[in-house]
Amino acid sequence: GAGVSQSPSNKVTEKGKDVELRCDPISGHTALYWYRQSLGQGLEFLIYFQGNSAPDKSGLPSDRFSAERTGGSVSTLTIQRTQQEDSAVYLCASSLASTQFPYEQYFGPGTRLTVT
Amino acid sequence: AQKVTQAQTEISVVEKEDVTLDCVYETRDTTYYLFWYKQPPSGELVFLIRRNSFDEQNEISGRYSWNFQKSTSSFNFTITASQVVDSAVYFCALSEVISNFGNEKLTFGTGTRLTIIP
Repeated sequence: GAGVSQSPSNKVTEKGKDVELRCDPISGHTALYWYRQSLGQGLEFLIYFQGNSAPDKSGLPSDRFSAERTGGSVSTLTIQRTQQEDSAVYLCASSLASTQFPYEQYFGPGTRLTVT
Repeated sequence: AQKVTQAQTEISVVEKEDVTLDCVYETRDTTYYLFWYKQPPSGELVFLIRRNSFDEQNEISGRYSWNFQKSTSSFNFTITASQVVDSAVYFCALSEVISNFGNEKLTFGTGTRLTIIP
């Protein structure tokens, strides 16, 4: 079946502009996660959704970052007033969710963001 | 706070050699899960294995094997008879359950870049 998809695959933007990154999870996966992979920081957790709710936003690096999820499916990560340090690969993952045990996360190909 | 250490930044071996990737973790949780992911040059993270903290049995899957030792907080990954297609960055990760729905936050190591020389 189809995996996690992300768009765009690459985005180059000027410092100060806003960007939107999109994630389409695997159908039926109620849990969705955003991570960021940058040279200096490795892979870091940003935020997760269970359905449309994001109970914990503490992983977002600043208030310029926000995310939403609608219809329990597509999610958008928005970065306002981009800075050069936002340059990274933004990865989305999805999984089933269970009160019994955690399921493995399946990752998308990522969006490479370059802020010039 | 949780932490995963992959001390080997880069490893190069000649094809058909065996290679072990080290992973050491820190957590205060009594129940946790450990993972290995592969990131080939295409960039997409590929899930390899998940182990829970109660199961210390070693696992073998084809040329891949994993050695989980709770006493040393290690979860090492061995590739036997390596092949060029094994060239990738390998990440070890530790999960922290963050909701009643089983949502988990993954803490990743910094990765080990493995190059198999033909």
